[in-house]
Amino acid sequence: GAVVSQHPSWVICKSGTSVKIECRSLDFQATTMFWYRQFPKQSLMLMATSNEGSKATYEQGVEKDKFLINHASLTLSTLTVTSAHPEDSSFYICSALVGITGGGWGQPQHFGDGTRLSIL
Amino acid sequence: QKEVEQNSGPLSVPEGAIASLNCTYSDRVSQSFFWYRQYSGKSPELIMSIYSNGDKEDGRFTAQLNKASQYVSLLIRDSQPSDSATYLCAVNLQGAQKLVFGQGTRLTINP
Repeated sequence: GAVVSQHPSWVICKSGTSVKIECRSLDFQATTMFWYRQFPKQSLMLMATSNEGSKATYEQGVEKDKFLINHASLTLSTLTVTSAHPEDSSFYICSALVGITGGGWGQPQHFGDGTRLSIL
Repeated sequence: QKEVEQNSGPLSVPEGAIASLNCTYSDRVSQSFFWYRQYSGKSPELIMSIYSNGDKEDGRFTAQLNKASQYVSLLIRDSQPSDSATYLCAVNLQGAQKLVFGQGTRLTINP
């Protein structure tokens, strides 16, 4: 149980392109999802917390206009990297909480397989 | 001081031995603790969760929590080469949904 699907796995595109990444909870409802970025040999960096039906909460230093997050349903959150540049190349990973609205603390996060984004 | 600290390693352990991974955290009100395993190029996968003081065993894995010392550890018995990965310690503050991750310990099991 608690399967999280992330798509696509790999993206290679030209500088200036906008890229959308999907994160789906397949066998549970996820009121809260998280988006992380990971550079080589570094740990996970939380970018934002996505709650269904409300605006995402971004971590300090993350540009909300560049990284657009939409969580329109209980099983889908999307991250759009707008006008991507080479410095946005990274491993983007989503996770989801099996949880109840307004709660979920103390529950483990279940991760998608990640999306490797390469901007040329 | 970092919120969650781990020795980055690399930690090398011979096959069949016990691997011991350690993690300390700074916030005394932390309530939930997790160990994730991450293979190179892959996303993290949950290994263990622990919420109360003491030991919790699951197969070859044992998580140990000492809230007074703000310390959580993961023991891997009968280490296998397939256990070679980076192990991430994660802490959940009371009332918060997000996790704070340590920088990870790279573990290598030598055949």
